Amino acid sequence: DSGVTQTPKHLITATGQRVTLRCSPRSGDLSVYWYQQSLDQGLQFLIQYYNGEERAKGNILERFSAQQFPDLHSELNLSSLELGDSALYFCASSVEGGLAEETQYFGPGTRLLVL
Amino acid sequence: DQQVKQNSPSLSVQEGRISILNCDYTNSMFDYFLWYKKYPAEGPTFLISISSIKDKNEDGRFTVFLNKSAKHLSLHIVPSQPGDSAVYFCAAIEGYSGGGADGLTFGKGTHLIIQP
Repeated sequence: DSGVTQTPKHLITATGQRVTLRCSPRSGDLSVYWYQQSLDQGLQFLIQYYNGEERAKGNILERFSAQQFPDLHSELNLSSLELGDSALYFCASSVEGGLAEETQYFGPGTRLLVL
Repeated sequence: DQQVKQNSPSLSVQEGRISILNCDYTNSMFDYFLWYKKYPAEGPTFLISISSIKDKNEDGRFTVFLNKSAKHLSLHIVPSQPGDSAVYFCAAIEGYSGGGADGLTFGKGTHLIIQP
């Protein structure tokens, strides 16, 4: 158990819909990362938040957005869903998130299926 | 364009022998490398890492070797045990530049199967 929690575990929805994925980082961790794992692309970095502020952006689509709240939990919002958005979405956390050598601890993931 | 490549989707090794997982990268700005292990239905778990200023890092049965000139790293597991059966991801990251470190760039993973 990494200490990072993600809800829900599974989500099934239809194209065009909007969903929200939730992540609670490990106690004391200020930085949250979102990753998408699809069959053909592997694990892709989406976005990072540190203490409520966006810190780094990866391959995140404009239809996707995220935020980190004062209690440090984070939400990833996916809108206008397409079939290709079906994937595993992982959240990770680290203490600060500003150093390459900081270990990122991953949650169990949310499996999204868009029908 | 895949910046981190794991060219072997799967690898089968006999229990007790050495497992060698390979990883190549193309981005010369990467200065820190990590290996993650992933079991089904779980998130990736950090295994071992290495800074680009080193060429070897050892932690128990796990050793990571880095060859910067070849842009290649490898993970050695000795001796291999049944519990090592998992998917292993190689990951890389560029160092902190004042604007925040980017997220990890992952390879597609190698499924290691340890046979009894």
